[in-house]
Amino acid sequence: DAGITQSPRYKITETGRQVTLMCHQTWSHSYMFWYRQDLGHGLRLIYYSAAADITDKGEVPDGYVVSRSKTENFPLTLESATRSQTSVYFCATNRGAGTDTQYFGPGTRLTVL
Amino acid sequence: AQRVTQPEKLLSVFKGAPVELKCNYSYSGSPELFWYVQYSRQRLQLLLRHISRESIKGFTADLNKGETSFHLKKPFAQEEDSAMYYCALRCPTNAGKSTFGDGTTLTVKP
Repeated sequence: DAGITQSPRYKITETGRQVTLMCHQTWSHSYMFWYRQDLGHGLRLIYYSAAADITDKGEVPDGYVVSRSKTENFPLTLESATRSQTSVYFCATNRGAGTDTQYFGPGTRLTVL
Repeated sequence: AQRVTQPEKLLSVFKGAPVELKCNYSYSGSPELFWYVQYSRQRLQLLLRHISRESIKGFTADLNKGETSFHLKKPFAQEEDSAMYYCALRCPTNAGKSTFGDGTTLTVKP
């Protein structure tokens, strides 16, 4: 669905560098999420946001920072990248907290050397 | 705490054979359960949700509260069903956060 996009799609960086992954949605959905996908671990929630200026930690938040100044954007920043943060990162959004469909972005493949 | 378990990381069947992808969950409240599918080089997409009691692409899933399971089934697998499948549980009372299982890679052989 073109309504949720991520950039960049691929990123290679070095240990210790700061990296920001962008997520943008056009539906004005309230909820936005960041997951990482690793072999053997499925999808793990990093951070989520229930509305603009409201964010909270998920299952694996260490080493990550988020902000949500506008409803449509939810950037994820790795303050000082580590090799263990090499992963595929997915942004997702849903309108409500119940049974609404959760829509996923195309993912960003991040490699930390 | 909520937890989703998909016991099979890999599942391989022949075309036309029945397929069942297992999902067990633990959650103290009334769960909202979903199956997502990720085809090769594509993003995750919703396959079906338990509350809709629907059949999508021939797949069905029944919520069994007694066994705390939400297995995904299809009577006759097709090659195009080959994909990664994730079971997910959502807490409506907890900001709609979803917990995903580790996923099952389904391969349907010709």
